[in-house]
Amino acid sequence: DAKTTQPPSMDCAEGRAANLPCNHSTISGNEYVYWYRQIHSQGPQYIIHGLKNNETNEMASLIITEDRKSSTLILPHATLRDTAVYYCIVRVALSDMRFGAGTRLTVKP
Amino acid sequence: DAGITQSPRHKVTETGTPVTLRCHQTENHRYMYWYRQDPGHGLRLIHYSYGVKDTDKGEVSDGYSVSRSKTEDFLLTLESATSSQTSVYFCAISESGGLQETQYFGPGTRLLVL
Repeated sequence: DAKTTQPPSMDCAEGRAANLPCNHSTISGNEYVYWYRQIHSQGPQYIIHGLKNNETNEMASLIITEDRKSSTLILPHATLRDTAVYYCIVRVALSDMRFGAGTRLTVKP
Repeated sequence: DAGITQSPRHKVTETGTPVTLRCHQTENHRYMYWYRQDPGHGLRLIHYSYGVKDTDKGEVSDGYSVSRSKTEDFLLTLESATSSQTSVYFCAISESGGLQETQYFGPGTRLLVL
């Protein structure tokens, strides 16, 4: 099954873009990449997902490399409220999403 | 935000007692899930349901049972709670179980088993 690798922590200045990388070198052709975040101890919050093409919504952009072995989540203008743990997930089964350790993003004033 | 509530939000219980956690949704989604979150393990799937009375096991189902008698409610039962079941429990829902289907999570229940 596909696994993801993320840096344990990152810092970002308020107002700047936050670029969070994720490696998923064993991803299969039909597996989607999902991003969630968790603020403090709240429930995970859905951000964005994609298969092959780059995706954008009101929260973020997702850039997936052509070989699909890695992706980057971009928060275009980070705010203090974006401080959270960000999870990159590859769906490995129809009813399962395996959350790893994630990246702790700290947005600093 | 998806209409998902969990009850209770916090619970302290003793080893050996039964515990039932409730997840309620107002979205009429077919799929519902129970996860637990522990330090160093991320979120792990316990059980899921793909319809009324239709359930299946997840990665860490031992010691847990579930029931779904109505579309909107999914119950997680610890028949005889153990200290290893101290955790934060999250419920999630999705319209279907496809790989492209987004799961939305509830606020969580913190369970402490003494």
